[in-house]
Amino acid sequence: AQSVTQPDIHITVSEGASLELRCNYSYGATPYLFWYVQSPGQGLQLLLKYFSGDTLVQGIKGFEAEFKRSQSSFNLRKPSVHWSDAAEYFCAVGARLGSSNTGKLIFGQGTTLQVKP
Amino acid sequence: EAGVTQSPTHLIKTRGQQATLRCSPISGHTSVYWYQQALGLGLQFLLWYDEGEERNRGNFPPRFSGRQFPNYSSELNVNALELEDSALYLCACGGLFGGDTQYFGPGTRLTVL
Repeated sequence: AQSVTQPDIHITVSEGASLELRCNYSYGATPYLFWYVQSPGQGLQLLLKYFSGDTLVQGIKGFEAEFKRSQSSFNLRKPSVHWSDAAEYFCAVGARLGSSNTGKLIFGQGTTLQVKP
Repeated sequence: EAGVTQSPTHLIKTRGQQATLRCSPISGHTSVYWYQQALGLGLQFLLWYDEGEERNRGNFPPRFSGRQFPNYSSELNVNALELEDSALYLCACGGLFGGDTQYFGPGTRLTVL
């Protein structure tokens, strides 16, 4: 079955420090992968996505992620965190039935990022 | 360009009542997706509408239903509300110009008393 695991429920980093949020997926073929960010009580904002091609993808707000097929991972990184980055981050995989889109995103449980001044 | 809009922002109902939530997608997007984000349960896929048809539904009872209108906007109806239906309901859009990427709205917070 397709699944997404975010091993870290909560992470605290100091402002200006680097950040890496982990995401592992279970999927048979090349997955469609996404990272979203959610501020309290708000909807989800797309940070970046990977469908194919270059395994290092750039997103908004200075975020990037690297797809590693051998490790079934799609970790999110940022070189220098700002206080405004404090939020909940979700990794998701687009569920497919064979080559057909099911319309369903499978989400990880989320990682809450706290930024210390 | 306007993003995905949802109404109402908040909705308070009592057990047994019906709730109707609305979603307007980004112009040019033909699909609407609904998700439930309940405390402790994470984000769960509810329904997918494309070109006016229901294409897929998640593991939810039939009292969760909806429809998509010719202008691609969508309604989610929840009948016979139960306390555990209290959640943030998120609508996303995609398809055609949006491709396989889902763009989310701000959500409707449903509280069932």
